[in-house]
Amino acid sequence: ELKVEQNPLFLSMQEGKNYTIYCNYSTTSDRLYWYRQDPGKSLESLFVLLSNGAVKQEGRLMASLDTKARLSTLHITAAVHDLSATYFCAADGSSNTGKLIFGQGTTLQVKP
Amino acid sequence: DVKVTQSSRYLVKRTGEKVFLECVQDMDHENMFWYRQDPGLGLRLIYFSYDVKMKEKGDIPEGYSVSREKKERFSLILESASTNQTSMYLCAAQGGSYEQYFGPGTRLTVT
Repeated sequence: ELKVEQNPLFLSMQEGKNYTIYCNYSTTSDRLYWYRQDPGKSLESLFVLLSNGAVKQEGRLMASLDTKARLSTLHITAAVHDLSATYFCAADGSSNTGKLIFGQGTTLQVKP
Repeated sequence: DVKVTQSSRYLVKRTGEKVFLECVQDMDHENMFWYRQDPGLGLRLIYFSYDVKMKEKGDIPEGYSVSREKKERFSLILESASTNQTSMYLCAAQGGSYEQYFGPGTRLTVT
């Protein structure tokens, strides 16, 4: 059974600092997703990582995937207040069905 | 632009009522999903559908059913609402790019 774990679950950081959120999954997964959720809002797709070694970047966020280690990371560079949100990773354990298993979420708070 | 809409943002129902949550996508995507989101538990898959009239159970289907009569519409049904079904319900659609697009969510309270 596929399980997905994120850490940390809560992260408070200063503007301008760098940090990494980790996403471990327990069994083989075809794809790894990262989403952002603002309070009271729905999920916004950030990245879909399709293969081992995949790296994607958008602004101050960079996601990578290591399928051998069953690990994905979301790296935040020079954080700004606007990045404050909850970040979820999700793994797709069933080929082509899109059945995603989500991590618990990491709540990021960036302080000015 | 991609769009997934849900019929209500907020809903309050009484225990025992039959509840319908509607989801519509305008992307002609085959796969559609219903999740519920609870604090500390993340999102959990209730049901999904990969074609009209096709459905499969997710991880927590008990107490729910679904209907997909048209490709663009996927309905979640609570046959007899209970207080433990108070939650945020999120619908998603997925196409060939593997991305799942989420609707705005329905916050359901059962009293």
